[in-house]
Amino acid sequence: DSGVTQTPKHLITATGQRVTLRCSPRSGDLSVYWYQQSLDQGLQFLIQYYNGEERAKGNILERFSAQQFPDLHSELNLSSLELGDSALYFCASSEGGRRGNSPLHFGNGTRLTVT
Amino acid sequence: AQKITQTQPGMFVQEKEAVTLDCTYDTSDQSYGLFWYKQPSSGEMIFLIYQGSYDEQNATEGRYSLNFQKARKSANLVISASQLGDSAMYFCAILGGTGNQFYFGTGTSLTVIP
Repeated sequence: DSGVTQTPKHLITATGQRVTLRCSPRSGDLSVYWYQQSLDQGLQFLIQYYNGEERAKGNILERFSAQQFPDLHSELNLSSLELGDSALYFCASSEGGRRGNSPLHFGNGTRLTVT
Repeated sequence: AQKITQTQPGMFVQEKEAVTLDCTYDTSDQSYGLFWYKQPSSGEMIFLIYQGSYDEQNATEGRYSLNFQKARKSANLVISASQLGDSAMYFCAILGGTGNQFYFGTGTSLTVIP
Protein backbone atom coordinates (compact mmCIF):
# COMPACT_ATOMS: atom_id res chain seq x y z
CA ASP A 1 0.00 0.00 0.00
CA SER A 2 1.58 3.27 -1.19
CA GLY A 3 -0.49 5.44 1.14
CA VAL A 4 -1.90 7.44 -1.77
CA THR A 5 -5.68 7.18 -2.11
CA GLN A 6 -7.50 7.81 -5.36
CA THR A 7 -11.24 7.83 -5.85
CA PRO A 8 -13.17 6.63 -7.65
CA LYS A 9 -11.48 3.51 -8.91
CA HIS A 10 -13.61 3.32 -12.04
CA LEU A 11 -15.66 5.97 -13.80
CA ILE A 12 -17.87 5.55 -16.84
CA THR A 13 -19.41 8.62 -18.36
CA ALA A 14 -20.65 10.03 -21.65
CA THR A 15 -19.02 12.45 -24.05
CA GLY A 16 -19.51 16.08 -23.14
CA GLN A 17 -19.76 15.38 -19.43
CA ARG A 18 -17.57 16.61 -16.58
CA VAL A 19 -15.93 14.49 -13.89
CA THR A 20 -13.79 15.07 -10.83
CA LEU A 21 -11.01 12.73 -9.75
CA ARG A 22 -9.81 12.90 -6.17
CA CYS A 23 -6.49 12.17 -4.56
CA SER A 24 -5.23 12.08 -0.99
CA PRO A 25 -1.44 12.08 -0.85
CA ARG A 26 0.71 10.02 1.47
CA SER A 27 0.92 11.45 4.96
CA GLY A 28 3.66 14.08 5.07
CA ASP A 29 3.98 14.44 1.30
CA LEU A 30 3.60 18.01 0.06
CA SER A 31 3.86 17.42 -3.66
CA VAL A 32 1.10 15.95 -5.82
CA TYR A 33 1.41 14.95 -9.44
CA TRP A 34 -1.23 13.91 -11.98
CA TYR A 35 -0.46 11.60 -14.89
CA GLN A 36 -2.53 10.21 -17.75
CA GLN A 37 -1.85 6.76 -19.15
CA SER A 38 -3.74 5.83 -22.30
CA LEU A 39 -3.90 2.26 -23.62
CA ASP A 40 -0.41 0.98 -24.41
CA GLN A 41 1.02 4.42 -23.73
CA GLY A 42 3.52 5.70 -21.28
CA LEU A 43 2.84 8.15 -18.52
CA GLN A 44 1.94 11.62 -19.68
CA PHE A 45 2.63 14.25 -17.06
CA LEU A 46 -0.31 16.59 -16.59
CA ILE A 47 0.36 18.87 -13.65
CA GLN A 48 2.20 19.16 -10.34
CA TYR A 49 1.32 20.95 -7.12
CA TYR A 50 3.51 21.65 -4.13
CA ASN A 51 1.95 22.69 -0.85
CA GLY A 52 -1.09 24.15 -2.56
CA GLU A 53 0.72 25.97 -5.34
CA GLU A 54 0.97 24.91 -8.96
CA ARG A 55 4.61 24.07 -9.65
CA ALA A 56 4.68 22.62 -13.16
CA LYS A 57 2.37 22.01 -16.08
CA GLY A 58 2.78 19.30 -18.63
CA ASN A 59 0.55 18.20 -21.48
CA ILE A 60 -2.66 19.22 -19.76
CA LEU A 61 -5.55 20.20 -21.99
CA GLU A 62 -7.42 23.44 -21.41
CA ARG A 63 -10.52 21.33 -20.69
CA PHE A 64 -8.69 19.89 -17.70
CA SER A 65 -7.95 21.70 -14.47
CA ALA A 66 -6.65 20.77 -11.07
CA GLN A 67 -6.10 22.17 -7.63
CA GLN A 68 -4.52 21.23 -4.33
CA PHE A 69 -6.40 22.16 -1.19
CA PRO A 70 -5.03 23.37 2.17
CA ASP A 71 -5.30 19.84 3.56
CA LEU A 72 -3.10 18.79 0.59
CA HIS A 73 -5.63 16.60 -1.14
CA SER A 74 -6.00 17.28 -4.84
CA GLU A 75 -8.71 17.15 -7.46
CA LEU A 76 -8.43 16.82 -11.22
CA ASN A 77 -11.41 18.14 -13.15
CA LEU A 78 -12.03 16.91 -16.68
CA SER A 79 -14.73 18.65 -18.69
CA SER A 80 -16.30 18.39 -22.15
CA LEU A 81 -15.10 14.84 -22.19
CA GLU A 82 -14.16 13.17 -25.46
CA LEU A 83 -13.69 9.51 -26.32
CA GLY A 84 -9.93 10.08 -26.43
CA ASP A 85 -9.91 11.08 -22.78
CA SER A 86 -10.52 7.45 -21.82
CA ALA A 87 -7.42 6.49 -19.86
CA LEU A 88 -5.98 5.53 -16.51
CA TYR A 89 -5.36 8.65 -14.44
CA PHE A 90 -2.75 8.40 -11.74
CA CYS A 91 -2.13 10.62 -8.79
CA ALA A 92 1.28 10.41 -7.14
CA SER A 93 2.84 12.17 -4.21
CA SER A 94 6.32 12.83 -2.92
CA GLU A 95 7.96 14.75 -0.12
CA GLY A 96 8.92 17.36 -2.70
CA GLY A 97 12.13 18.32 -0.96
CA ARG A 98 15.15 19.74 -2.74
CA ARG A 99 17.36 16.72 -2.11
CA GLY A 100 16.02 15.12 -5.28
CA ASN A 101 15.86 11.64 -3.87
CA SER A 102 12.20 11.37 -2.97
CA PRO A 103 10.43 8.78 -5.08
CA LEU A 104 6.92 9.22 -6.35
CA HIS A 105 4.36 7.08 -4.59
CA PHE A 106 1.43 6.27 -6.84
CA GLY A 107 -2.20 5.70 -6.10
CA ASN A 108 -3.96 2.81 -7.79
CA GLY A 109 -5.39 5.09 -10.44
CA THR A 110 -8.83 6.00 -11.70
CA ARG A 111 -9.86 4.23 -14.87
CA LEU A 112 -12.01 6.63 -16.89
CA THR A 113 -14.12 5.33 -19.73
CA VAL A 114 -15.89 7.85 -21.94
CA THR A 115 -18.68 6.37 -24.08
CA ALA B 1 14.96 19.78 -19.68
CA GLN B 2 15.13 16.10 -18.87
CA LYS B 3 14.60 13.14 -21.15
CA ILE B 4 14.48 9.40 -20.61
CA THR B 5 14.90 6.86 -23.41
CA GLN B 6 13.99 3.20 -23.15
CA THR B 7 14.77 1.51 -26.45
CA GLN B 8 13.46 -1.97 -25.70
CA PRO B 9 9.69 -2.08 -26.14
CA GLY B 10 9.59 -5.78 -25.22
CA MET B 11 11.94 -8.27 -23.59
CA PHE B 12 11.75 -11.98 -22.83
CA VAL B 13 13.71 -13.84 -20.17
CA GLN B 14 13.77 -17.42 -18.98
CA GLU B 15 12.70 -17.98 -15.40
CA LYS B 16 15.66 -17.89 -12.97
CA GLU B 17 17.86 -16.04 -15.47
CA ALA B 18 19.02 -12.43 -15.10
CA VAL B 19 17.82 -9.66 -17.41
CA THR B 20 18.94 -6.09 -18.07
CA LEU B 21 16.49 -3.36 -19.02
CA ASP B 22 18.12 -0.38 -20.69
CA CYS B 23 17.61 3.26 -19.80
CA THR B 24 19.50 6.29 -21.02
CA TYR B 25 18.85 9.83 -19.93
CA ASP B 26 19.63 13.37 -20.84
CA THR B 27 19.80 16.22 -18.38
CA SER B 28 21.64 19.47 -17.84
CA ASP B 29 21.23 19.25 -14.06
CA GLN B 30 24.24 18.40 -11.93
CA SER B 31 22.07 16.86 -9.25
CA TYR B 32 19.32 14.44 -10.22
CA GLY B 33 17.75 11.15 -9.25
CA LEU B 34 17.00 8.08 -11.32
CA PHE B 35 14.14 5.74 -10.49
CA TRP B 36 12.66 2.49 -11.76
CA TYR B 37 9.01 1.54 -11.46
CA LYS B 38 7.15 -1.68 -12.18
CA GLN B 39 3.60 -1.77 -13.53
CA PRO B 40 2.04 -5.25 -13.49
CA SER B 41 -1.04 -6.04 -15.54
CA SER B 42 -3.21 -5.03 -12.58
CA GLY B 43 -2.13 -1.44 -13.28
CA GLU B 44 -0.54 -0.13 -10.09
CA MET B 45 2.83 1.61 -10.22
CA ILE B 46 5.38 0.15 -7.83
CA PHE B 47 8.60 1.95 -6.90
CA LEU B 48 11.59 -0.41 -7.22
CA ILE B 49 14.90 1.38 -6.86
CA TYR B 50 16.58 4.79 -6.71
CA GLN B 51 20.03 6.06 -7.75
CA GLY B 52 21.33 9.53 -6.95
CA SER B 53 23.61 11.29 -9.39
CA TYR B 54 26.29 11.68 -6.73
CA ASP B 55 26.07 8.12 -5.44
CA GLU B 56 29.30 6.30 -6.16
CA GLN B 57 27.92 2.84 -5.49
CA ASN B 58 25.31 1.21 -7.69
CA ALA B 59 21.98 0.91 -5.90
CA THR B 60 20.65 -2.53 -4.98
CA GLU B 61 17.30 -3.62 -3.58
CA GLY B 62 16.95 -7.36 -3.22
CA ARG B 63 16.97 -8.89 -6.70
CA TYR B 64 17.04 -5.44 -8.32
CA SER B 65 20.23 -3.54 -9.01
CA LEU B 66 20.87 -0.41 -10.98
CA ASN B 67 23.90 -0.33 -13.28
CA PHE B 68 24.68 3.38 -13.19
CA GLN B 69 27.20 4.71 -15.71
CA LYS B 70 27.21 8.45 -15.31
CA ALA B 71 29.56 9.29 -18.17
CA ARG B 72 27.39 7.28 -20.55
CA LYS B 73 24.20 8.67 -18.98
CA SER B 74 22.77 5.22 -18.55
CA ALA B 75 20.87 3.68 -15.64
CA ASN B 76 20.07 0.10 -16.56
CA LEU B 77 17.96 -2.08 -14.30
CA VAL B 78 19.22 -5.59 -13.66
CA ILE B 79 16.80 -8.18 -12.34
CA SER B 80 18.48 -11.32 -11.10
CA ALA B 81 16.88 -14.75 -10.80
CA SER B 82 13.74 -13.73 -12.72
CA GLN B 83 10.40 -14.94 -11.44
CA LEU B 84 7.07 -15.29 -13.22
CA GLY B 85 5.77 -12.42 -11.10
CA ASP B 86 8.36 -10.12 -12.66
CA SER B 87 6.35 -10.07 -15.89
CA ALA B 88 5.26 -6.43 -16.14
CA MET B 89 5.98 -3.06 -17.70
CA TYR B 90 9.06 -1.32 -16.34
CA PHE B 91 9.50 2.42 -16.43
CA CYS B 92 12.66 4.42 -15.91
CA ALA B 93 12.29 7.97 -14.60
CA ILE B 94 14.47 10.97 -13.84
CA LEU B 95 13.84 13.62 -11.23
CA GLY B 96 15.18 17.05 -12.05
CA GLY B 97 17.22 18.81 -9.43
CA THR B 98 15.26 22.02 -9.00
CA GLY B 99 11.70 21.63 -10.16
CA ASN B 100 11.02 18.26 -8.59
CA GLN B 101 9.62 17.17 -11.92
CA PHE B 102 9.58 13.51 -12.86
CA TYR B 103 10.04 12.44 -16.47
CA PHE B 104 9.24 8.87 -17.48
CA GLY B 105 10.42 6.76 -20.37
CA THR B 106 8.02 4.86 -22.62
CA GLY B 107 8.58 1.63 -20.72
CA THR B 108 9.77 -1.90 -21.45
CA SER B 109 7.42 -4.87 -21.34
CA LEU B 110 9.14 -7.83 -19.68
CA THR B 111 7.81 -11.36 -20.06
CA VAL B 112 9.27 -14.16 -17.94
CA ILE B 113 9.02 -17.55 -19.62
CA PRO B 114 8.63 -20.64 -17.44
